[in-house]
Amino acid sequence: AQTVTQSQPEMSVQEAETVTLSCTYDTSESDYYLFWYKQPPSRQMILVIRQEAYKQQNATENRFSVNFQKAAKSFSLKISDSQLGDAAMYFCAYRSASGANSKLTFGKGITLSVRP
Amino acid sequence: AAGVIQSPRHLIKEKRETATLKCYPIPRHDTVYWYQQGPGQDPQFLISFYEKMQSDKGSIPDRFSAQQFSDYHSELNMSSLELGDSALYFCASSLRVGGGGTDTQYFGPGTRLTVL
Repeated sequence: AQTVTQSQPEMSVQEAETVTLSCTYDTSESDYYLFWYKQPPSRQMILVIRQEAYKQQNATENRFSVNFQKAAKSFSLKISDSQLGDAAMYFCAYRSASGANSKLTFGKGITLSVRP
Repeated sequence: AAGVIQSPRHLIKEKRETATLKCYPIPRHDTVYWYQQGPGQDPQFLISFYEKMQSDKGSIPDRFSAQQFSDYHSELNMSSLELGDSALYFCASSLRVGGGGTDTQYFGPGTRLTVL
């Protein structure tokens, strides 16, 4: 079974600075997808970024980028120019590329606070 | 753009009662997923449906059942409710790669169930 580990329960960043959230995972599969979801106080689950394991290029979405290290099974999220609205719980998630097993497996999440 | 709709948004029930949660996926999406998120926890996969057939099953109690209807909306039926069932229940939908999508799951706002 796949597992996702987010070892840092909390992190804090100064507004306008850069922060990196860590995530590692364990799988025996070679093809899969990785995601970061944001959960603000409203509890809505918002997709931040998506990475396909067969693509070597790291995904980027505006101020959000990932550092995907497939051999190390590491998938970190970098938030640049942090804004107050970035304060939320961030979940790293894994999904098999097999259509018969398409559930998301989440890490425990990390609470990010942004200092003004 | 249209999002996943869940109803009701809040539900309060007594122990041993029954609850029905509804989910309306994004138009054209062919797969629906249900997740349960307890307080301070990560979302846990319950069950999924592809083209109205159950496609995957997670840690869903036998007291719970779900189905997907011809219009692709889904319902999660929960019977003999227990205090431990109090949680946020998410529905997510996706469009499979074979159908022209990316399999990315988009979440609804959730139904907050409180069992007294």
